[in-house]
Amino acid sequence: EAQVTQNPRYLITVTGKKLTVTCSQNMNHEYMSWYRQDPGLGLRQIYYSMNVEVTDKGDVPEGYKVSRKEKRNFPLILESPSPNQTSLYFCASSLSQGGTGELFFGEGSRLTVL
Amino acid sequence: SQQGEEDPQALSIQEGENATMNCSYKTSINNLQWYRQNSGRGLVHLILIRSNEREKHSGRLRVTLDTSKKSSSLLITASRAADTASYFCATDGPGAGSYQLTFGKGTKLSVIP
Repeated sequence: EAQVTQNPRYLITVTGKKLTVTCSQNMNHEYMSWYRQDPGLGLRQIYYSMNVEVTDKGDVPEGYKVSRKEKRNFPLILESPSPNQTSLYFCASSLSQGGTGELFFGEGSRLTVL
Repeated sequence: SQQGEEDPQALSIQEGENATMNCSYKTSINNLQWYRQNSGRGLVHLILIRSNEREKHSGRLRVTLDTSKKSSSLLITASRAADTASYFCATDGPGAGSYQLTFGKGTKLSVIP
């Protein structure tokens, strides 16, 4: 089954404790992206990647890092989480390298930073 | 980056009625997409309409695009309780240099059985 898989789905952590949210897709897509969703603000893009070893900032990259060492994986790293990073996070992928075609989304990772 | 704006923010209708949601955007686009999100779940792609298309259908969905007014509408006919969800429009940027889809804040649709 074609899918984007995120882990963990739910996480409660404390300020400053490094964490990684993993994302994996099995569709051989070139493009992958991370979004965060907050009430009243909609979905905002954090980082995206058009190919292996190619990443770029989205609209809200501060406090986040990403890497794209393999085509299928695109982990989101929070080096020192803060409460304002409490949010619902989505990973997405697209066959279109430019990322403007149909996006396939994971089920989301709800992160709470205390 | 540009952003689509959906209207209304919330819509409540009876089962069987039609639901219409609108999206306005600011600058020229190559394509516009509509997505559905069930509460707290991942977004699901519904339909993509290119800038040179005026209307597109998919099952009970009808999407129109008016590039002169920079607006799009999503019509769901004969709504069902299962259509209860948030609906988002997403736009890309002009030209090949844009690698982002930008989402609006969504319309929350409630279909009452």
